Amino acid sequence: NFMLTQPHSVSESPGKTVTISCTRSSGSIANNYVQWYQQRPGSAPTTVIYEDKKRRSGVPDRFSGSIDSSSNSASLTISGLKTEDEADYYCQSYDGSNRGWVFGGGTKVTVL
Amino acid sequence: QVQLVESGGGVVQPGRSLRLSCTASAFTFSAYSMHWVRQAPGKGLEWVAVIWYDGFHKYYADSVKGRFTISRDNSKNTLFLQLNSLRADDTAVYYCVKDADYWGQGTLVTVSS
Repeated sequence: NFMLTQPHSVSESPGKTVTISCTRSSGSIANNYVQWYQQRPGSAPTTVIYEDKKRRSGVPDRFSGSIDSSSNSASLTISGLKTEDEADYYCQSYDGSNRGWVFGGGTKVTVL
Repeated sequence: QVQLVESGGGVVQPGRSLRLSCTASAFTFSAYSMHWVRQAPGKGLEWVAVIWYDGFHKYYADSVKGRFTISRDNSKNTLFLQLNSLRADDTAVYYCVKDADYWGQGTLVTVSS
């Protein structure tokens, strides 16, 4: 088993860029794809990034995903921040030991 | 467009059972693995269980193993989650998820005496 660790919160002004990290505790981040989900208040999650860096259809290209083996982490970058981007963001990956998913604890993005 | 509609949630006493359903449309249901994910009030997402496309392979989180059972009826495009021996910490919104790309709106399960 492994854990995915995210910062609890990040905040930035409209038009700026934020990057949310997701660090894997054991095993290589590159072993299994990472997905990112956005959850606006009172709504169900939606997928924004899948397979590390692919954007779901309809997701603006302001959203991008990447992985970094040197830090064993994945990142979600949101550029040109808009108030509509205020949400909780969760990373998720596959855990082969139980054939299930592991979620990060979530990061609250606030657009000041 | 893909739709996943959960139902069956409600208020139930500790130790009792509940069966959740998720009706799928606008995709070939029998071709995809399906998951249940839950979210306790004010908390993060927790994976619960997965069932492969054919219904034969099923895997569970340790927190629900032996108490919950995932199943599917591919002829009716429906996913199920049987929740037995419910505890207060099972209180959550339960989402069905298609293979990490589409989520339902969720159904709330409240375990309380």
